Formats: sequence, structure tokens, C-alpha cells
Amino acid sequence: SQTIHQWPATLVQPVGSPLSLECTVEGTSNPNLYWYRQAAGRGLQLLFYSVGIGQISSEVPQNLSASRPQDRQFILSSKKLLLSDSGFYLCAWSFNRDREQYFGPGTRLTVT
Amino acid sequence: GESVGLHLPTLSVQEGDNSIINCAYSNSASDYFIWYKQESGKGPQFIIDIRSNMDKRQGQRVTVLLNKTVKHLSLQIAATQPGDSAVYFCAEILTGGGNKLTFGTGTQLKVEL
Repeated sequence: SQTIHQWPATLVQPVGSPLSLECTVEGTSNPNLYWYRQAAGRGLQLLFYSVGIGQISSEVPQNLSASRPQDRQFILSSKKLLLSDSGFYLCAWSFNRDREQYFGPGTRLTVT
Repeated sequence: GESVGLHLPTLSVQEGDNSIINCAYSNSASDYFIWYKQESGKGPQFIIDIRSNMDKRQGQRVTVLLNKTVKHLSLQIAATQPGDSAVYFCAEILTGGGNKLTFGTGTQLKVEL
């Protein structure tokens, strides 16, 4: 069976500090990978998605970047965090060409 | 731009009653819709999906109805239980690479004992 991991679970970072959130998927190969952000009481906003190693598509211009160094690893980064980067970050995966997305447990980021 | 939205931000129901959560979508080209359930502090969980060539699909205690004429989607939960309390999101698949989902704002379902 497939599992998706995210870490850390919670993070408190000062404004201007760097960020690195990691997501890994086990039990499948060549998945589509996604990063979402969810503001409090709001829906999910797609940030990045990837259909393969080194292939990253950005959905919204922002202070964040994503990378996929390995087939089942997806990393969300920032060089300098802003207060507006606070939120709940969710990683998801789907079988290539399939439609249902499976979500990880999320990372709660608070920028102070 | 195209968007998916929900009619009711909060829905309160009595335990044992049926719940109906509604969703409106605006992209007539969407060919696939999904309902997700998100409990507090957790990632969304898949509930049920429906393709645009279907009007109705049933799962365990849940039914999704699709009305393409008025671009409306609903999730019906039978015999609502306390464990159903969560935020429910509808999402549409936009055609194109990556099978990207567009999520609505969400409806908070509260089950009262």
C-alpha cells in the first residue's frame, strides 16, 4: 500500500528565515505530486505540481519554490519567509494519469 | 476565472438525520468531481467521486448528485453521525496536465447530539 509523509508537523519560523518542507511517498513510482496551502477556514490553493523528476509547474507567483530531486520526494522551500506564508501546507500525490489525490497529514507553519 | 464554490459555509444537523452539502461549479468543461472530508488538523480524505457523464453515484452512506444543467453538485450523507463532523470540500478536475484539482471554500458540517 502507499503512504505519504510530511515533516515537520508544525513549524514556527521568524520572518526572513528560510523554509524547507519535505514530502515523501512510499509504495508507488512516478506519482504526480502536489503542494497546497490552506489558510485558516479556507479552501486549498494549489501551489505547485510535478509530473516527474525535475518537472515543476507553478500555479501562483509567490515567495515559495518547489523541487523534486527524487521520484517520490517533493520539497517546498523559501529563501525568506513572509508573514503571509503562514498556513497549513499539504502535500498530495496521485497515480500518474489517475485523478484521485491522496493527501499527507500536513505541516502547520506559523511565521512570526 | 473559473471557480468552484459552496453555497453554505456551515451546516448543523441532528445525529441520525440526513445531511445535504451543496456545491456550485462554473467550468462546464470539468469532467470529474470529487468530494473530500477534512477533519481538524488533518489532510483531506477522499469520500466519493463522479464523472460528468453520470448524474448520481452512491457509496457507503453517501450519495453524490450532479446536475450539469445548473452546474450543481451535492453530497448527501445518510444517518449523519458525530464522526461525520468535518469540513467538506468539493473539487473539480480541470483538463490539462497534472490532473489539477480546484477546490471550493468548504462547508463545516456540525453534528448535534
